[in-house]
Amino acid sequence: GQQVMQIPQYQHVQEGEDFTTYCNSSTTLSNIQWYKQRPGGHPVFLIQLVKSGEVKKQKRLTFQFGEAKKNSSLHITATQTTDVGTYFCAGADPIYNQGGKLIFGQGTELSVKP
Amino acid sequence: NAGVMQNPRHLVRRRGQEARLRCSPMKGHSHVYWYRQLPEEGLKFMVYLQKENIIDESGMPKERFSAEFPKEGPSILRIQQVVRGDSAAYFCASSPRQGLSGNTIYFGEGSWLTVV
Repeated sequence: GQQVMQIPQYQHVQEGEDFTTYCNSSTTLSNIQWYKQRPGGHPVFLIQLVKSGEVKKQKRLTFQFGEAKKNSSLHITATQTTDVGTYFCAGADPIYNQGGKLIFGQGTELSVKP
Repeated sequence: NAGVMQNPRHLVRRRGQEARLRCSPMKGHSHVYWYRQLPEEGLKFMVYLQKENIIDESGMPKERFSAEFPKEGPSILRIQQVVRGDSAAYFCASSPRQGLSGNTIYFGEGSWLTVV
């Protein structure tokens, strides 16, 4: 079945350093979504990418969707302690596109040392 | 998103008991999804429901688990004869419609089940 792989599993950075997490799907996706989950919290929607090669920015966060719509990345510039949490990508299968049936990556847990 | 309401937030059950988790979707949303998150793992799709219909239950374990979304009231995820391996966070999400590329879903705050 469809799989979404995410790396790295953990990333420890010094405050002010950059951070990137990568997401790869075994199949072409109709769209990809990114979520942030704080410890003990619930996934909070960050952004959705739909178009091939799409790049979107939210302040210090940059999201990219690959040309083949099989990979994506999230880059955070100059991390802050408020960025701590686990970042998940989630893909929707274009063939079996049942709205909210998303395939989640394993997540990248980001810790930031002040 | 606080608009999706789940309860209880925390539930402790002994092995063999039943667990019932409830989810009220955001106002105006008629599509509900349940996801399970085991410790240190990502979210796994379980089931997708509309009012009075199960649309996709491909992620549900074959035994002991069931879900419903009645015409009136919240969606219920029911786990019978719980075992320790059922201990997880169960997240409900909702959306206004399905089948459209780019449809965003909104998660509730989750129900943490602990089986002792």
